[in-house]
Amino acid sequence: RKEVEQDPGPFNVPEGATVAFNCTYSNSASQSFFWYRQDCRKEPKLLMSVYSSGNEDGRFTAQLNRASQYISLLIRDSKLSDSATYLCVVMIPGRGSTLGRLYFGRGTQLTVWP
Amino acid sequence: DAGVTQSPTHLIKTRGQQVTLRCSPKSGHDTVSWYQQALGQGPQFIFQYYEEEERQRGNFPDRFSGHQFPNYSSELNVNALLLGDSALYLCASSPRASSGEQFFGPGTRLTVL
Repeated sequence: RKEVEQDPGPFNVPEGATVAFNCTYSNSASQSFFWYRQDCRKEPKLLMSVYSSGNEDGRFTAQLNRASQYISLLIRDSKLSDSATYLCVVMIPGRGSTLGRLYFGRGTQLTVWP
Repeated sequence: DAGVTQSPTHLIKTRGQQVTLRCSPKSGHDTVSWYQQALGQGPQFIFQYYEEEERQRGNFPDRFSGHQFPNYSSELNVNALLLGDSALYLCASSPRASSGEQFFGPGTRLTVL
């Protein structure tokens, strides 16, 4: 079973639409949660961290439900520049003094059309 | 302030050959992690280096090895290349005391023929 499961899409939406992505994670020891954005043939870049209380950054809202091990990302008023792959990421702490390692979902592809 | 840098950007090798990829972490970061990203998939963790030692390792064979230098830069070595090793190899750095966010380099795209 994969650590992080994501619907790969693709999602094709018009400008101005609201779109939601979901993912689930399997390891209850997961400690930190993120959404990364990856443009075609580029490296992943942090979009936002996800907190239990939910958090918002402009048009982006992230939610975390630890009980059901579920993470979501909502994008409002979609822009053409939002077209990218969105990666759901969890961090599981390392043993002892090591930094945790990241587990990535396979990503959800979003295309916003004019 | 330079971010994470990787070299080379692209590489073409044939089966059975060996390859070395290089990474310089972001200034102030001392931990380096390597990931392999196959086409259409999310990055998969290979291993992590801190204080010049491999601290954690993902589910990759011993053909994949690495090294970290005193200046925190790192190398990823892959021996006996297989066609399936063709992928984007990403290096990520973070400070030791981190909430988990890692900063990625642009990657090295390896093609094995």
